[in-house]
Amino acid sequence: DILMTQSPSSVSASVGDSVTIRCRASQAIGSWLAWYQQKPGRAPKLLIYSASTLQSGVPSRFSGSGSGTDFTLTISSLQPDDFATYFCQQTYSFPLTFGGGTKVEIK
Amino acid sequence: QVQLQESGPGLVRPSQTLSLTCTASGASVTRGDYFWSWVRQPAGKGLEWIGRIYTSGSTNYNPSLKSRVTVSLDTSKTQFTLNLSSVTAADTAVYYCARGSVGGYSSHTFDVWGQGKMVTVSS
Repeated sequence: DILMTQSPSSVSASVGDSVTIRCRASQAIGSWLAWYQQKPGRAPKLLIYSASTLQSGVPSRFSGSGSGTDFTLTISSLQPDDFATYFCQQTYSFPLTFGGGTKVEIK
Repeated sequence: QVQLQESGPGLVRPSQTLSLTCTASGASVTRGDYFWSWVRQPAGKGLEWIGRIYTSGSTNYNPSLKSRVTVSLDTSKTQFTLNLSSVTAADTAVYYCARGSVGGYSSHTFDVWGQGKMVTVSS
């Protein structure tokens, strides 16, 4: 199985700040990576696929980058609606696996 | 617009079989370039992919659960089901059904999710 490791596990930030979340795969996965946002009591929401392609309807303040084993999700100019937990998922091989999550909290 | 909804018992006894159904409104689970999956999430923890079924009926399961899991399509063409046998307290989680994409750069991503069903394993 491909192990996905996210860092940090939590981050405190203010509205307007820029936040970067990292995801590392235990083996090279090309650009086969997705990012999801999850709010308490809600299902995850797909934000980005293919490491850097925004899902339809996702604000442009979200961006993704990386390839191989190291990936980042950046939220520029954090908005109140962005405080949530973010998960990465490798879409390269089965079993599909997710990172442990990064909680973005209000400072 | 496709919507998914999980249904089934919220309490299952240890050693019994957990059975959930996902109903798709606005779509047929036997057509299209999609697969249908189950993902679970223990309270306060991360996401675990359980398994998937293609519109053709072929399946893939997480090896960690493979001996206990069955995902199947319902003949209604709008439902698919999860059966997880010999459950223990470790299977207590929110269970989500989700639609996965097949082919292209979004392959194997989940773009539509159900709201989740909390299942507790307890005597």
